[in-house]
Parts: sequence; C-alpha cells; structure tokens
Amino acid sequence: SQQGEEDPQALSIQEGENATMNCSYKTSINNLQWYRQNSGRGLVHLILIRSNEREKHSGRLRVTLDTSKKSSSLLITASRAADTASYFCATDEPSGYSTLTFGKGTMLLVSP
Amino acid sequence: NAGVTQTPKFQVLKTGQSMTLQCAQDMNHEYMSWYRQDPGMGLRLIHYSVGAGITDQGEVPNGYNVSRSTTEDFPLRLLSAAPSQTSVYFCASSGSRLAGGPGELFFGEGSRLTVL
Repeated sequence: SQQGEEDPQALSIQEGENATMNCSYKTSINNLQWYRQNSGRGLVHLILIRSNEREKHSGRLRVTLDTSKKSSSLLITASRAADTASYFCATDEPSGYSTLTFGKGTMLLVSP
Repeated sequence: NAGVTQTPKFQVLKTGQSMTLQCAQDMNHEYMSWYRQDPGMGLRLIHYSVGAGITDQGEVPNGYNVSRSTTEDFPLRLLSAAPSQTSVYFCASSGSRLAGGPGELFFGEGSRLTVL
C-alpha cells in the first residue's frame, strides 16, 4: 500500500508556538496533499504539492517535500486554538490509478 | 452551492439488513469516491468513480456496491450489514484530475453507521 504515515500521532502545544507534522510514504508519487479534519466533521483540503516542488506556502502553512527521502512536512506557524484538529497527508498512485491514499493522521491540540 | 451532501447523518442497522448511503454533489465534479474512517486506521477507500457509468474498487470494497448513473449522485449500498461495517463513511468529489490521481477532494460531513 502507498499509505502515508504521519508522525507524531499526537502533538500538544501552546498558542503562538509552531507545529510541525511529518508524513512518510513508500513509493514514488506525483502529488501529495494535506487535509485537516475538525472533530466530527469532514476533511478540508489545505494544500497540494507536486513532486517537482520542494516547498509551498499558504498563509501560516508551509509544506515541504523531499522525494529522495519520501517524506513531507507540514508546518503551522503561530498556532491558534482554532488549529486544533487532525491533519492527514494523502498520496496518489504513480501507476495512474485514480485514487488518493490517506495516512492515519496527526492529532494536534493547541491550548490557549 | 451545497457542495457534497451525505444522507443520512446517523443510522443504526441490525446485522443482515441492507441500506443505501446517499451522496450528491452540485459542483459538476467527474470524480467521486467513498471512504470509511475507523479509529486508528485513517481513511480507507471503498469505491470510486471517474465519471458517470464508470466505477472501480478501492482498498476495502467487500460488502459494498456502488453505481454512478448521473454525474451528481454516487450512492453506496451495504448489501448485508455486518458489525465490521460500523464506521464513519465519507463521500468526496473532485473537479480536477492530475497525473496519478484526483486533485483537491471536497468531502461531505460524514454518515455515522452502527451495525448491531
């Protein structure tokens, strides 16, 4: 399975601190996406990074991709209590199958 | 726009019963998919469709059927419910197609199913 694996499983920080989550995957990819899920809700797309990109920014989010190490990281700067959620990475299939495979997620708790 | 709408939000079934989870999207997306989410397992793909009349199996298709007669609707049928199918089910659609898979997925709010 191509499933990405997030690390850590859970992360607890204070408001204002930065939060870093990592995703590792097994085989080559074309694209990697990050999603957020608030408790009891559906997932929401955050950012997509292509295999030929090394870094991408969106507001307080910074995503990096290292295809040689088959890993990606999501950095949330100046975290807020509202950032409390689970974060998932999702990878595609280089063979051309039309699927996205999700990891098990990182639960982020940001305390006021 | 409503986005992706799933019904019902909650359902309790007895073992052996059948039911259909409904999913509708109003964004004219070609790609639609069903995932199940279980504690500690993340999201696992059940079935997906790249357009009306085309469906394919994902990672965990056993016990589920799908059809795609229109672009808007992608119902998921449980043929004979089992306790192992107790889960939260998410429907997701995408309007973009990239090399290797769909682009941004838009998710519904989920359907919480309990099988006794």
